Amino acid sequence: GQQVMQIPQYQHVQEGEDFTTYCNSSTTLSNIQWYKQRPGGHPVFLIQLVKSGEVKKQKRLTFQFGEAKKNSSLHITATQTTDVGTYFCAGLSGFQKLVFGTGTRLLVSP
Amino acid sequence: DGGITQSPKYLFRKEGQNVTLSCEQNLNHDAMYWYRQDPGQGLRLIYYSQIVNDFQKGDIAEGYSVSREKKESFPLTVTSAQKNPTAFYLCASSISRGGHNEQFFGPGTRLTVL
Repeated sequence: GQQVMQIPQYQHVQEGEDFTTYCNSSTTLSNIQWYKQRPGGHPVFLIQLVKSGEVKKQKRLTFQFGEAKKNSSLHITATQTTDVGTYFCAGLSGFQKLVFGTGTRLLVSP
Repeated sequence: DGGITQSPKYLFRKEGQNVTLSCEQNLNHDAMYWYRQDPGQGLRLIYYSQIVNDFQKGDIAEGYSVSREKKESFPLTVTSAQKNPTAFYLCASSISRGGHNEQFFGPGTRLTVL
């Protein structure tokens, strides 16, 4: 079945450093979504990418969808302590179900 | 104030007992989902429903059952057949079927089976 892997599994940065998480699918995706889950909380939708090569920005967050629509990345510029949490990608293939990635846990030290 | 509610937040049960987790939404969403999250892991789909009186198995449905008698409600029963039920359970909904719409998650229920 479809698998969505994320790397790294965990990253610890100093406040102000950049952070990137990568998402790779075993199958071509029709879209990809990104969610953030704060410690002890529930996932919250961040963004959806649909087009091949699409790039979207939300303030310090930059999201990319690969040309082959099998991978995606989330880059955070100049991390802040409020960025702490686990970031999940979720991909949609032809089966109309979102498959969530394994998640990248981000810890930011002040 | 629209959203998804799950109750209770923490639940303790003895091994061998069935337990039902509640999920209610007032967003008028057609689709609802149940996920299981284990420590340090991603979300795995248990069951989903695209419309009232219809539901489909997800990737890990064994040992679980659901019903969708009302649009607003999608309760999940964790049966004694589920070999490792201790986990964080998340309910979600989206405006319509398919995966093109964002999912809204409830606060979750943390189930511990003793």
